[in-house]
Amino acid sequence: DSGVTQTPKHLITATGQRVTLRCSPRSGDLSVYWYQQSLDQGLQFLIQYYNGEERAKGNILERFSAQQFPDLHSELNLSSLELGDSALYFCASSEQADIQAFFGQGTRLTVV
Amino acid sequence: DQQVKQNSPSLSVQEGRISILNCDYTNSMFDYFLWYKKYPAEGPTFLISISSIKDKNEDGRFTVFLNKSAKHLSLHIVPSQPGDSAVYFCAASGGGGGATNKLIFGTGTLLAVQP
Repeated sequence: DSGVTQTPKHLITATGQRVTLRCSPRSGDLSVYWYQQSLDQGLQFLIQYYNGEERAKGNILERFSAQQFPDLHSELNLSSLELGDSALYFCASSEQADIQAFFGQGTRLTVV
Repeated sequence: DQQVKQNSPSLSVQEGRISILNCDYTNSMFDYFLWYKKYPAEGPTFLISISSIKDKNEDGRFTVFLNKSAKHLSLHIVPSQPGDSAVYFCAASGGGGGATNKLIFGTGTLLAVQP
């Protein structure tokens, strides 16, 4: 158990809909990262938050947004969903200066 | 542009033999490299890392070698065990991106250790 909790584990939704993925980082970790893993692809970095503020942005679509709340949990919002958004979405957390990130079990999103 | 590449999608080895997983990168600004292991239906778990100022790091059965001039790193597992069967991701950090430890991942290599 990495200590990072992601909910829900599975999500099936229709095209055009909006979903919210939730992540609770390890206790004490201020950084939260979101990654997307599509079929046969590596993990693609989407966005990082540090102590409530956006720290870095990757190839995140404009239809996607994220935030980190005062209690340090984070949410990834995906809107106007398309079939190609079907993927595993991972959240990871780390301490401030720690390179090693701890990953949650992921949310498998299926858009039908 | 794939900055971290794992050119072998899969690798099969016999139990007890050495497994060698390879990774190439293009960005010379990367200053830290990590290997993660992933089982189906689980998140990636950290295995071993190496700083760019070193050329070798060892942890039990796992050794990572870094060749900066060739922009190449490899993970050696000796001896390989059936429980090592998983997808292995190479990742890199740094790259001049400012105050972030975001990881750039390769596409992974599926290791199958045959009993």
